[in-house]
Amino acid sequence: AQKVTQAQTEISVVEKEDVTLDCVYETRDTTYYLFWYKQPPSGELVFLIRRNSFDEQNEISGRYSWNFQKSTSSFNFTITASQVVDSAVYFCALSEADLYNQGGKLIFGQGTELSVKP
Amino acid sequence: GAVVSQHPSWVICKSGTSVKIECRSLDFQATTMFWYRQFPKQSLMLMATSNEGSKATYEQGVEKDKFLINHASLTLSTLTVTSAHPEDSSFYICSARIPGTETYEQYFGPGTRLTVT
Repeated sequence: AQKVTQAQTEISVVEKEDVTLDCVYETRDTTYYLFWYKQPPSGELVFLIRRNSFDEQNEISGRYSWNFQKSTSSFNFTITASQVVDSAVYFCALSEADLYNQGGKLIFGQGTELSVKP
Repeated sequence: GAVVSQHPSWVICKSGTSVKIECRSLDFQATTMFWYRQFPKQSLMLMATSNEGSKATYEQGVEKDKFLINHASLTLSTLTVTSAHPEDSSFYICSARIPGTETYEQYFGPGTRLTVT
């Protein structure tokens, strides 16, 4: 069965600190997609990144970076030099490939609430 | 592009009444839409998958007679919470996929906050 685990429920850092949000997933499929979303207090989900299971290259986008390791089934997210505006709940999610393009359900982790203090 | 809207953004209703939430894809056609529910301080839980022109597929434990889903057009899916009770108070979020894409990315609406008094 599919499962996404974000063991860190809450993280609190001081501005300019680096912070890593952990994500561990379980799936029996060889083809799948991993996502990270940000949910600010307004509630609207903000898409951050998508990775397919065949692309293990790490990605960097500004202060954000992602480390995908299939060997440990992890897809961790690091924010460098955190800012107060980064305060939000962050969700990791998994979608298994659907050959008939009808499924692709997203399974979300429990979320990590990040609080960045000035 | 790929904008999804929801209406209303928030609603308060009395216990026992029904409330309808609309999810629209504004600039693309969506054969598949998803409905999620999120309780405070919790994750998003998929309620059902809505396919245009066919019956919705509900996740285990979701009452299909209570949460009626209609996907009558390629740009509109509705969720009706029938005979709402206070325990139905939650944040309801819809998402839509662009058909034919292989990336399985879902575009999320802004959510609807339902409070049942």
